[in-house]
Amino acid sequence: GAVVSQHPSRVICKSGTSVKIECRSLDFQATTMFWYRQFPKKSLMLMATSNEGSKATYEQGVEKDKFLINHASLTLSTLTVTSAHPEDSSFYICSASTLGGNYGYTFGSGTRLTVV
Amino acid sequence: DQQVKQNSPSLSVQEGRISILNCDYTNSMFDYFLWYKKYPAEGPTFLISISSIKDKNEDGRFTVFLNKSAKHLSLHIVPSQPGDSAVYFCAASAGGSEKLVFGKGTKLTVNP
Repeated sequence: GAVVSQHPSRVICKSGTSVKIECRSLDFQATTMFWYRQFPKKSLMLMATSNEGSKATYEQGVEKDKFLINHASLTLSTLTVTSAHPEDSSFYICSASTLGGNYGYTFGSGTRLTVV
Repeated sequence: DQQVKQNSPSLSVQEGRISILNCDYTNSMFDYFLWYKKYPAEGPTFLISISSIKDKNEDGRFTVFLNKSAKHLSLHIVPSQPGDSAVYFCAASAGGSEKLVFGKGTKLTVNP
């Protein structure tokens, strides 16, 4: 079945630094990838939709200059948290979709970001 | 505004019994619903889905029921097994959109 690899699984960084999270579709081409974050006891919140070869679409309230998304190929999307602050500490999850339909959703294993 | 609501944060059942997880939604434009299972520190895995043209979909031990008039869906797991212990998320989408709106999740514990 479809596999999405997300890396790293855990990262601790200092406040003010940038962190890059990668999301790769291993055995299929993902035309669309989604980035979510989850705070404790909260639902998965969609941050942005990433389409291969075009700019990402950000949800209301998500700072596009802070959360940089690049979807340069059909198998790779990256999320860079720039100038990270402790309040950015969260669980970030990507999901990938093939063309058309909801059946194509596959989630990565998530990245636990801790900003100290 | 929570468009997808899972009002029970947790549920505990005995092994072999039925688990019923509930989900309510407010957006009448939602026409596709999915259930995901999530273990700690892992991404969600797809369980089962249902289109608004149906009122029931079954896959092995998992059955999802949809009541459009009540804007309510439920996931039934029978018989429940200890390995089913996880957080279950209800998600919805509208008009063929690939965007999913998630509920807060319900933590299911199946006791041996």
